[in-house]
Amino acid sequence: EVQLVESGGGLEQPGGSLRLSCAASGFTFSSYEMNWVRQAPGKGLEWVSYISSSGSTIYYKDSVKGRFTISRDNAKNSLYLQMNSLRAEDTAVYYCARENASGKNFDYWGQGTLVTVSS
Amino acid sequence: DIQMTQSPSSLSASVGDRVTITCRAGQSVSTYLNWYQQKPGKAPKLLIYAASSLQSGVPSRFSGSGSGTDFTLTISSLQPEDFAIYYCQQSYSFPSFGQGTKLEIK
Repeated sequence: EVQLVESGGGLEQPGGSLRLSCAASGFTFSSYEMNWVRQAPGKGLEWVSYISSSGSTIYYKDSVKGRFTISRDNAKNSLYLQMNSLRAEDTAVYYCARENASGKNFDYWGQGTLVTVSS
Repeated sequence: DIQMTQSPSSLSASVGDRVTITCRAGQSVSTYLNWYQQKPGKAPKLLIYAASSLQSGVPSRFSGSGSGTDFTLTISSLQPEDFAIYYCQQSYSFPSFGQGTKLEIK
């Protein structure tokens, strides 16, 4: 069974940092592209970042470029999102999502981890 | 970024009704269009990919159609468990989502 389990969320002050993790199981993690998608409270879904299966190709939403860093450790079946210089508008539930190999869609999602940026 | 616009933003319907939700892209996305269902407090669930392909395990009452800029998600006969928020998402370029359509019980 495919499972994605996020952790690392919490309350952080503006300008602070958090590191999110996503532990994957039930599939060959190293074969899949992965993404982070976020959802502000009561709002819609917003793609944040993408990483290729090898980690060699990375993309970010413009508003997080230079502040967020996506990475992965295929030996540990884990995906990460280092979030620096946090802003109030980064407050959201952050989901890791597996990208389907053939369909360019998000076929499995974690349960999400809440990041709250507030003083 | 490709803007995705869904209509309506909310919809009231009854069990057994046929429901259609529309998604319009700001530019052609070919058939790189996916639909998700999200229930309160839960992660989104993939329903339809590549505009019209049914994800494994999804009931056949869900269907999708369209290409280019105009797409539809149809639920042929609403069931109680279908009341949720539905999102379209384009994967032609950097992913972007519609604002969502909240399907409520009439």
